[in-house]
Amino acid sequence: AQKVTQAQTEISVVEKEDVTLDCVYETRDTTYYLFWYKQPPSGELVFLIRRNSFDEQNEISGRYSWNFQKSTSSFNFTITASQVVDSAVYFCALGRNNAGNMLTFGGGTRLMVKP
Amino acid sequence: GAVVSQHPSRVICKSGTSVKIECRSLDFQATTMFWYRQFPKQSLMLMATSNEGSKATYEQGVEKDKFLINHASLTLSTLTVTSAHPEDSSFYICSARDRAREQYFGPGTRLTVT
Repeated sequence: AQKVTQAQTEISVVEKEDVTLDCVYETRDTTYYLFWYKQPPSGELVFLIRRNSFDEQNEISGRYSWNFQKSTSSFNFTITASQVVDSAVYFCALGRNNAGNMLTFGGGTRLMVKP
Repeated sequence: GAVVSQHPSRVICKSGTSVKIECRSLDFQATTMFWYRQFPKQSLMLMATSNEGSKATYEQGVEKDKFLINHASLTLSTLTVTSAHPEDSSFYICSARDRAREQYFGPGTRLTVT
């Protein structure tokens, strides 16, 4: 069975603080994909990153960075120098075998960045 | 980039009526589309997998007679909520898979049943 846990339901930070959103997953598959999506109040999912199970390299994209640790089944997301526009719900998701399969989503973390 | 649209973006209907939601892949062919449901302040849950030209596969607990899915072409899948009730009020999101097995999400449809 697939499972994604985002233990932090809500996080509140002040602008310019760094913040890390945790994601822990469970799967029996040897090949899988991990995703992060941002959902602003409009509701539309904004794709942030995809990582396959064979690629444990960490990734940095501007103020965003991701830490994939297969040994602890975690795929954490860090926002550096947070901004008010980062306020949204962030979802971590797990896909089986290939990137086009249906996704199992975590419960989401609501991030509030205050000015 | 690949674009998936949903229509309508918002719909309000009366209890007992049926509502149809369309999911279209605008610039690619999608043999598979997925339908998710998101209740307020909750996560997305897969409702069904829609394959072009065949019957949809529903997740456990999703009533196939209530949520009718039709994937009649490679660019269109529809979800019809039949005899809608207030508890069906939710945000419905579709995603479409292209031939490269990449997945793209639609913008969602907010359904309110009064």
